[in-house]
Amino acid sequence: EAEVAQSPRYKITEKSQAVAFWCDPISGHATLYWYRQILGQGPELLVQFQDESVVDDSQLPKDRFSAERLKGVDSTLKIQPAELGDSAMYLCASSHLGGPDQETQYFGPGTRLLVL
Amino acid sequence: QQQVKQSPQSLIVQKGGIPIINCAYENTAFDYFPWYQQFPGKGPALLIAIRPDVSEKKEGRFTISFNKSAKQFSLHIMDSQPGDSATYFCAAVVSGSARQLTFGSGTQLTVLP
Repeated sequence: EAEVAQSPRYKITEKSQAVAFWCDPISGHATLYWYRQILGQGPELLVQFQDESVVDDSQLPKDRFSAERLKGVDSTLKIQPAELGDSAMYLCASSHLGGPDQETQYFGPGTRLLVL
Repeated sequence: QQQVKQSPQSLIVQKGGIPIINCAYENTAFDYFPWYQQFPGKGPALLIAIRPDVSEKKEGRFTISFNKSAKQFSLHIMDSQPGDSATYFCAAVVSGSARQLTFGSGTQLTVLP
C-alpha cells in the first residue's frame, strides 16, 4: 500500500539553527499539504501545493518558514531560525486532485521537532 | 478562531462500551465532515466521513450522526476494543477548490480491557 514518506522522523535542534523536513507524497497525488501539530491539539495547515504551485500559504510564518515543491513531486519545509515555540510534529499529507477520492488526505508519520 | 469545537478532551471506557465524541461547527459553508484516527507516533488516518445531506453513516463499528440544523456531528464506536485506543479528530471541509481540512482539538480515547 502506497504511503506518504517523511524524514527525518525526529529532529532535535538548538534555537536559531536551521532545520529542514522532507516529504514524498503518494505517487500521482497532485496536492500536497504541510501541517503543524502541537501536542494535544489538532493539525493546523501551514501550506498547500497543487503540483509545484502554492495554493495557500496564508498560515505560514514567512519570516522564518519556507516551503517548496520544485518538480511537483517531493517537498521540503524549512525553518530558519528555529524558535522554542516551533517544537511540534510536522505532518505532510497528499491527496488526488479531482475524482471521488479527492477529499481524502493521506498523512505521513510526521517529523517530531524539539527546539532547545 | 476555533471553527470546529470537539469534546470531550479525553474519554475512558470499558471494553464493549460505546464512546461518543461530539463536534460542533459554525461555518455553514462546510460540506464534508471526516473523522481521523491517530495512534501515537503516527499520522492521522481517515476513519469515516459524512456529507450534510444524510443524518447517519455507519461503517463497521463506527457511526457518524449528523444534525445539520444544530450544526453538530458525533462519532460513536460500537463494541469498543482496546485496539481502538487512540486520538480521534473531527474535521470539516469548506466547499470549493481548496478542500482544506479544519480539525477539532482531538479526543484521547482509552478503552480498558
